[in-house]
Amino acid sequence: DGGITQSPKYLFRKEGQNVTLSCEQNLNHDAMYWYRQDPGQGLRLIYYSQIVNDFQKGDIAEGYSVSREKKESFPLTVTSAQKNPTAFYLCASKPPGQGTPLHGYTFGSGTRLTVV
Amino acid sequence: AQTVTQSQPEMSVQEAETVTLSCTYDTSESDYYLFWYKQPPSRQMILVIRQEAYKQQNATENRFSVNFQKAAKSFSLKISDSQLGDAAMYFCASIPTGTASKLTFGTGTRLQVTL
Repeated sequence: DGGITQSPKYLFRKEGQNVTLSCEQNLNHDAMYWYRQDPGQGLRLIYYSQIVNDFQKGDIAEGYSVSREKKESFPLTVTSAQKNPTAFYLCASKPPGQGTPLHGYTFGSGTRLTVV
Repeated sequence: AQTVTQSQPEMSVQEAETVTLSCTYDTSESDYYLFWYKQPPSRQMILVIRQEAYKQQNATENRFSVNFQKAAKSFSLKISDSQLGDAAMYFCASIPTGTASKLTFGTGTRLQVTL
């Protein structure tokens, strides 16, 4: 079955360390997104990519970096510059088309990152 | 730019009763889509219902229906015959049409279903 796989499900990071969250999809979707979820704040967009080798900052990109070397993969690195990284991170993708996102996004199952 | 506002952080409903979750939005786009997503304790995002802004008819999916008031920029979700499995976070979201468009979410409403 096609879908989005996020790994790991739980991740612990020490202060000052960089960590990378994995997001892989086999849906042949062009666009991929990273959202951060905090209690009471909904989902906020970190980075997104419309095509391979191209990506744009979202609303809260500071302290994060991404790459898009393959269509299937969109890893997110949480750097030591991110002051409050403890959160739930969701990866999503959108089907290709002529701009009609009728089906919304497909989401992964998320990664819970905790700074220890 | 788009904004989505959910003013009810928590709601409670008795099993078999009906509940309405509120959502307002603001957009300068002429054409867009609106969604309600459900996030159960597993935290998997599940699409509940969608509405195309150019359609006047309110969308319905089984026990879920929306009241879409375009002029008022309101998009509420009604859940009929509530079930224990409906307990979850519910997020309202909007997205303009266009290939580069991005989904914008509200802050969510936590729905409790009681016996």
